[in-house]
Amino acid sequence: DAGVTQSPTHLIKTRGQQVTLRCSPKSGHDTVSWYQQALGQGPQFIFQYYEEEERQRGNFPDRFSGHQYPNYSSELNVNALLLGDSALYLCASSLSSGGKLFFGSGTQLSVL
Amino acid sequence: GNSVTQMEGPVTLSEEAFLTINCTYTATGYPSLFWYVQYPGEGLQLLLKATKADDKGSNKGFEATYRKETTSFHLEKGSVQVSDSAVYFCALSRVSGGSYIPTFGRGTSLIVHP
Repeated sequence: DAGVTQSPTHLIKTRGQQVTLRCSPKSGHDTVSWYQQALGQGPQFIFQYYEEEERQRGNFPDRFSGHQYPNYSSELNVNALLLGDSALYLCASSLSSGGKLFFGSGTQLSVL
Repeated sequence: GNSVTQMEGPVTLSEEAFLTINCTYTATGYPSLFWYVQYPGEGLQLLLKATKADDKGSNKGFEATYRKETTSFHLEKGSVQVSDSAVYFCALSRVSGGSYIPTFGRGTSLIVHP
C-alpha cells in the first residue's frame, strides 16, 4: 500500500513564476492538507481539501490556491512566486472522520 | 491564539543517554497534544499523542505526559540510539470546522553519537 506520494521532489523557479505541486493521498483517505515548512521551522498549515472543496484555510495569501480531484488527489498552486516562498511543501492525508495524519516526503521548492 | 514552544536544538547525546525535549503550549480549551518525528529526507510521522490531561503517550521507548497545570508535554526516552537521530516536533491539535488542524512547534534536532 503506497503511502502519501508527492511530486516533484525538487523544483527550482524564479520570482514571479507560477508553480503546481501534486499529491496523491494514502489509499482510502479522502482528506488532503497542505503545509509549508520553512528551513528550521515547523510546518505551517496552508489549507485542507475534502470533497473537492477547501474546508479550512490557514493564514496564507490568495496566491496560494488548491484543487482536489474526484480520486482525492490534490494540487497546490502558488502564483507570483516570492523568494520567501522557498520551503518544503508537505502534503498530509487523513480520513474525514478524523484520525492520524500521514505525511508525504514533501516537495522542496527553491525560488531564485 | 494557539502556539507551541520547544527547546532550541540541536540536542547532542551519546548513545544510551537519557533524553528530554521540552515542550510547552498555549491554547484555548483542551487540545490534543502530539509528538511527530522527521527523519532526514522523509515526511513527518506521528510518534505519540495524548488527548486529555494526565494522559501518557508512549511509543518506541519514548514517553510524554499531558500536564495541564504546567501546559507542558515534554518528550523523554531512557536510552537513546543512533537511529533516534531526527527532528522532533511538538504539536497541538484543535478542532476547526469539524476537522483537526495541528499547530507545530519549530522542531528540535536530536543528534545521537555512537
